Amino acid sequence: EAGVAQSPRYKIIEKRQSVAFWCNPISGHATLYWYQQILGQGPKLLIQFQNNGVVDDSQLPKDRFSAERLKGVDSTLKIQPAKLEDSAVYLCASNSDLAQETQYFGPGTRLLVL
Amino acid sequence: GQQVMQIPQYQHVQEGEDFTTYCNSSTTLSNIQWYKQRPGGHPVFLIQLVKSGEVKKQKRLTFQFGEAKKNSSLHITATQTTDVGTYFCAVSGNTPLVFGKGTRLSVIA
Repeated sequence: EAGVAQSPRYKIIEKRQSVAFWCNPISGHATLYWYQQILGQGPKLLIQFQNNGVVDDSQLPKDRFSAERLKGVDSTLKIQPAKLEDSAVYLCASNSDLAQETQYFGPGTRLLVL
Repeated sequence: GQQVMQIPQYQHVQEGEDFTTYCNSSTTLSNIQWYKQRPGGHPVFLIQLVKSGEVKKQKRLTFQFGEAKKNSSLHITATQTTDVGTYFCAVSGNTPLVFGKGTRLSVIA
């Protein structure tokens, strides 16, 4: 089966600019996650969707980050305006509706904010 | 919120030596997952442990869940250069998955 798709793979922007990332989860996976992974650290959950509803966004910096999954399939994550400390890899993951099941990660988008 | 400590942060071994990484929590865990991330890659699921004292093996990898369900270990026997990467534990309870900081393994041929 096809894996989790993400685009773009790399993005370089200047601080205060805006950027958007796209994720297409594995077909049939109801749950979608966005993680931020700063160099040398483990992934940190930003937001979790169940179909098109938000399950957890407690660690999402809502003053600058937003995410949506309007039709319960694809999702976009936006940063506006970006800060230097947003430089990281943004990982999308998905799994089926079962609780505590393994997550399948996409290749990630590597963001560099200058 | 849920926190997990992973040690060591780095490990350099000669090819053929064994390697172990540990994951510790101050609270009882409902389950623990282990992931491997190759340099430049994304986390890939290895295994999930659920039962107290559980031991699972995957070829040269042995995973163990502590009796109190507060700690876990991943042991690799006779490391190979293909084992290079960062190994993360991830835990969940009533909160979404929380990842440790990982142990970065380097294997010297």
